[in-house]
Amino acid sequence: DAGVIQSPRHEVTEMGQEVTLRCKPISGHDYLFWYRQTMMRGLELLIYFNNNVPIDDSGMPEDRFSAKMPNASFSTLKIQPSEPRDSAVYFCASSFGGGLSYNEQFFGPGTRLTVL
Amino acid sequence: RKEVEQDPGPFNVPEGATVAFNCTYSNSASQSFFWYRQDCRKEPKLLMSVYSSGNEDGRFTAQLNRASQYISLLIRDSKLSDSATYLCVVNTNAGKSTFGDGTTLTVKP
Repeated sequence: DAGVIQSPRHEVTEMGQEVTLRCKPISGHDYLFWYRQTMMRGLELLIYFNNNVPIDDSGMPEDRFSAKMPNASFSTLKIQPSEPRDSAVYFCASSFGGGLSYNEQFFGPGTRLTVL
Repeated sequence: RKEVEQDPGPFNVPEGATVAFNCTYSNSASQSFFWYRQDCRKEPKLLMSVYSSGNEDGRFTAQLNRASQYISLLIRDSKLSDSATYLCVVNTNAGKSTFGDGTTLTVKP
């Protein structure tokens, strides 16, 4: 298996532009997680899906952020409009089973976002 | 107060040393516990799960104390390749994962 795939790996954009991050989870996994990592705030859970349905989006910072999972093999995280404080590494992770069991989360390589 | 707290370090130890990391969590409803390892500019990867009775994997030993809401990781005979950031992770029964900020370890020759 190729593991969790994220694209793009690096994104540099200007303030006010729309940014779309993409994730392909491991086939057969039923949970998908979006995280953001910064030096100041560490690794933060933004939102997670179970069987393509958003379960908890309480970590989404504000209305500028939205996430979708139209099918079991694809998810997007969109930021519109982007701001410099959104600069971070965004990770997507997937697992088979969620927090009720000791199931490993597999992380993608991350998207390094820089908003100028 | 953060839900999951770790000593950020850095811990600088010589090869062969034994080093221990601690982690505390605030949500008493937490159900499952993990240690992840993250190398510089890489994604986190599972190091080991932490079971109630404690568990060992080679040079690594994890302990859980539910009464004190405390998790630990012990690394024996540390190697240069153990240099990384170690993240404590706590899951609730709702499926939410909360990561600590990580403890940085540098093992020196």
